[in-house]
Amino acid sequence: GENVGLHLPTLSVQEGDNSIINCAYSNSASDYFIWYKQESGKGPQFIIDIRSNMDKRQGQRVTVLLNKTVKHLSLQIAATQPGDSAVYFCAENTGTASKLTFGTGTRLQVTL
Amino acid sequence: GAVVSQHPSWVICKSGTSVKIECRSLDFQATTMFWYRQFPKQSLMLMATSNEGSKATYEQGVEKDKFLINHASLTLSTLTVTSAHPEDSSFYICSGGVEFYGYTFGSGTRLTVV
Repeated sequence: GENVGLHLPTLSVQEGDNSIINCAYSNSASDYFIWYKQESGKGPQFIIDIRSNMDKRQGQRVTVLLNKTVKHLSLQIAATQPGDSAVYFCAENTGTASKLTFGTGTRLQVTL
Repeated sequence: GAVVSQHPSWVICKSGTSVKIECRSLDFQATTMFWYRQFPKQSLMLMATSNEGSKATYEQGVEKDKFLINHASLTLSTLTVTSAHPEDSSFYICSGGVEFYGYTFGSGTRLTVV
């Protein structure tokens, strides 16, 4: 089947800098995308979502960009904080019974 | 917001025994719930879709007789790992299948089979 993939397994950023986490998806039929944050030993926590009829959506300190032309999704975190350290997953919904397909994940390490 | 409660958070069982994991939607009715498995340093893999009042739908390669799913009410889905073996040791996570809420996830259950 088609998978959602991430380019970088680990991303290290300094506290206060901006972080950009990227995700490539292969299913052009996907119409809904979500970014999740997962801390060690916990379930994924919803960060932000975006529908395919949008190319940008902003939340508190986070922005998701969607480029359907190249099937690319990114999560931008402004002024990264130590509490942002976690594994980040993108997920896509192809519309089939509301199932989500998860990417491989990127570990974000925030250094002081 | 939507809250999904999952219990237990961790369990250790002997090989050959069965373990039941519960997933409850606390403030919304979930006609659909999803069960995932996550091995260390890997992504979440969907195991099955739990449907209230009907049979679960399993993903390819997931043994339905080994991973029994029951969704008898709009607020409770259970996953029973039958005749557990060490290779079943993993992190199991459920999700409330309500799109409006962005698919809220439970806190996960760490299963260790010894």
